[in-house]
Amino acid sequence: QSALTQPPSASGSPGQSVAISCTGTSSDVGAYNYVSWYQQHPGKAPKLIIYKVNQRPSGVPDRFSGSKSGNTASLTVSGLQAEDEADYYCCSYAGSANNYVFGTGTKVTVL
Amino acid sequence: EVQLVESGGDIVQPGGSLRLSCAASGFTFSNYWIHWVRQAPGKGLVWVSRIDNDGSVTFYADSVKGRFTMSRDNGKNTLYLQMNSLRVEDTAVYYCARGDSEAYDIWGPGAMVTVSS
Repeated sequence: QSALTQPPSASGSPGQSVAISCTGTSSDVGAYNYVSWYQQHPGKAPKLIIYKVNQRPSGVPDRFSGSKSGNTASLTVSGLQAEDEADYYCCSYAGSANNYVFGTGTKVTVL
Repeated sequence: EVQLVESGGDIVQPGGSLRLSCAASGFTFSNYWIHWVRQAPGKGLVWVSRIDNDGSVTFYADSVKGRFTMSRDNGKNTLYLQMNSLRVEDTAVYYCARGDSEAYDIWGPGAMVTVSS
């Protein structure tokens, strides 16, 4: 099972928006509405920020939003803040045979 | 507080074995699937394995199938990952994570496994 494809990096100034794409196949992202996104600061465990494509867990700011079209999912971070500087990973369920596949990761820099 | 805490990380020689543990607290452990996810130094997250609520069903990534075995003791609220025939490429931080098909909502802080001669 190949990793989902994300851009290696993205950046924006404070207050701006940044969008991160996550491209899979018709066997994972395109097949299920079980795309999730994780934020990971250096040396820390990942934190869930989006699940089921566009749902936010309690406590996650509404600056984070998710969407999906076909085999590509997207995460948008609006109103960038310094603490949003981190690595972001998408993840998709891929069926009972392949189970789960993560994206390659995107490093977001707040300029 | 809902939490998972891994233990057992160590340095081991290629071909060796190691067992990781993951202790759960603050929630009904037996109600949840649990996964292992690993991250090699400077690399991305990779799903390793999954076990269902009662431990009767397990799934593994092709890269560890036949070498790693996941199990759980719901009476002790503890999860295990037995890793045999370890390879240099198994070097990573290993995270246990609570989740179902939707997402992983709780993660442990991770345990470092280094495979080196």
